[in-house]
Amino acid sequence: DTGVSQNPRHKITKRGQNVTFRCDPISEHNRLYWYRQTLGQGPEFLTYFQNEAQLEKSRLLSDRFSAERPKGSFSTLEIQRTEQGDSAMYLCASSLSQQPQHFGDGTRLSIL
Amino acid sequence: GENVEQHPSTLSVQEGDSAVIKCTYSDSASNYFPWYKQELGKGPQLIIDIRSNVGEKKDQRIAVTLNKTAKHFSLHITETQPEDSAVYFCAARDSNYQLIWGAGTKLIIKP
Repeated sequence: DTGVSQNPRHKITKRGQNVTFRCDPISEHNRLYWYRQTLGQGPEFLTYFQNEAQLEKSRLLSDRFSAERPKGSFSTLEIQRTEQGDSAMYLCASSLSQQPQHFGDGTRLSIL
Repeated sequence: GENVEQHPSTLSVQEGDSAVIKCTYSDSASNYFPWYKQELGKGPQLIIDIRSNVGEKKDQRIAVTLNKTAKHFSLHITETQPEDSAVYFCAARDSNYQLIWGAGTKLIIKP
């Protein structure tokens, strides 16, 4: 069990640029979740996949955000035309169906 | 929808003493309540969880209690150690099977 892996760990970009993050879940886990966490707060749900199907998206997920999980394994989260308010830690978690979620160490995004 | 409140926001205890963190939830349909520990620069790690058909669960120095009637659950850490210093989050799984999180408690263990 190698755990959930997220890349990159840190991303610094200028406002208006596009960024993409990658998440590799625990290999046998069929569910994959994306969360956003700002300083001093708990994680906020963004979206989740069961296998390759994106089953739910939060109202927080504006049309500038898109997530994919093309083969039901790794997932990418893309943010287009980044804004200052997008600065946060983006966390990925995976689980086997409704079993407990296991988190990666996140990608910290800083918008200049 | 579900709302989870967590108290206190900061808790400072002497090494060796016990620490208690409390959470309340609003949706009586919630049936699963995990607790996560988050260290600086890391993702949350599950430390213990409880389902609504159980009132208490213990794992070594950590225990969780659940009062379904009052809609609150608590984390108890006994014999605290320096490595227990971290931010602790409670969560409740709502009727859409999503985790709704508390705002976190920063636990400080004083030597």
